Amino acid sequence: NAGVTQTPKFRILKIGQSMTLQCAQDMNHNYMYWYRQDPGMGLKLIYYSVGAGITDKGEVPNGYNVSRSTTEDFPLRLELAAPSQTSVYFCASTPDTGRSPLHFGNGTRLTVT
Amino acid sequence: AQKITQTQPGMFVQEKEAVTLDCTYDTSDQSYGLFWYKQPSSGEMIFLIYQGSYDEQNATEGRYSLNFQKARKSANLVISASQLGDSAMYFCAMREPRDDKIIFGKGTRLHILP
Repeated sequence: NAGVTQTPKFRILKIGQSMTLQCAQDMNHNYMYWYRQDPGMGLKLIYYSVGAGITDKGEVPNGYNVSRSTTEDFPLRLELAAPSQTSVYFCASTPDTGRSPLHFGNGTRLTVT
Repeated sequence: AQKITQTQPGMFVQEKEAVTLDCTYDTSDQSYGLFWYKQPSSGEMIFLIYQGSYDEQNATEGRYSLNFQKARKSANLVISASQLGDSAMYFCAMREPRDDKIIFGKGTRLHILP
């Protein structure tokens, strides 16, 4: 099993450009999450999904959109990139609401200039 | 809204000493779960330990244990016999089943000194 796969690993965007961060998991997990981590800081929840077709806002959803058309994939869309969106983005998944921990991808480092 | 507070931005500890990393949380729910993760300088997130709000005993996993004080809403991570490889960022996180959000604290950077 590959676990949680995020692409790309690195990306530089110009202000105003858009892009999609890809996240895929092969563990048949229902719950998927997107976080951003600014330098030296904790993880902030952007969006999450409890199953295909269901998404919900987290702590910092502005400037982002998500979709969950399949159990496996949970892409994060950035529209009109701004320097404030420079961060490391982590996707994570978990099978249930109990004791199971999050399985994290390796992250995408995004710079907006 | 749930909230996690880690009040120690950084800590320096001598190798082989025990270290306690603080975590307090705020929730109005009776059912919740608490997680600790380690993030080395390489950036990956490593799960360490879990404590459920209804667990009768404090969680332990090898050198990691959790000092869970439900009335105080605290879930401090204790690392016994610290090692150089324990140098990393440590994050406390909470999950509330009613909305399935998993929220993280700001983290504590732990430095183990030889």
